[in-house]
Amino acid sequence: QQQVKQSPQSLIVQKGGIPIINCAYENTAFDYFPWYQQFPGKGPALLIAIRPDVSEKKEGRFTISFNKSAKQFSLHIMDSQPGDSATYFCAASIESSGSRLTFGEGTQLTVNP
Amino acid sequence: EAGVAQSPRYKIIEKRQSVAFWCNPISGHATLYWYQQILGQGPKLLIQFQNNGVVDDSQLPKDRFSAERLKGVDSTLKIQPAKLEDSAVYLCASSRRVGAYEQYFGPGTRLTVT
Repeated sequence: QQQVKQSPQSLIVQKGGIPIINCAYENTAFDYFPWYQQFPGKGPALLIAIRPDVSEKKEGRFTISFNKSAKQFSLHIMDSQPGDSATYFCAASIESSGSRLTFGEGTQLTVNP
Repeated sequence: EAGVAQSPRYKIIEKRQSVAFWCNPISGHATLYWYQQILGQGPKLLIQFQNNGVVDDSQLPKDRFSAERLKGVDSTLKIQPAKLEDSAVYLCASSRRVGAYEQYFGPGTRLTVT
């Protein structure tokens, strides 16, 4: 019940395309859903996050869509650039449980020039 | 502000040897986390500290892994004895307090057990 399932495992798009990464969860107690970006040799860095009382959040070219009834959320990257090539992880946490993050398996995104 | 520091960055050991990793969190951050990231997977929490007390160590293999956080600042994670399946990147993260959602990660220590 603590799992977060992420898809696809890998994704290749052309520059300017809109890659979409999806995540699904089971535990309805989760109350915070962040996305992390990780470059090779670096630790994950927080990209954008959403709470379940909001259906969409935008920050620059990054948008999270959240569907509470379906227990799914997704990351959209508008006007993708080669510099966006990285591994993206969705995660979920529960504030009352100390905010430990449960991560998805990751999506390796490649944006071709 | 300076980020989370970790050392060493890389370590190669033979199975049954011991190894230790060090983490210095962001100044003033009360909560510290150790995650294990196996190649091709998402990070998995091993242990969480609030100041120098353990908040959650439910996923720490306590027969071989141990961790401490001295004086509520730096932390060390030890593996003794190491197994082949311990090969992974060990990530340290910190946040301002328990319940603070934003966690800041260090660059990690890549461990290879041969």
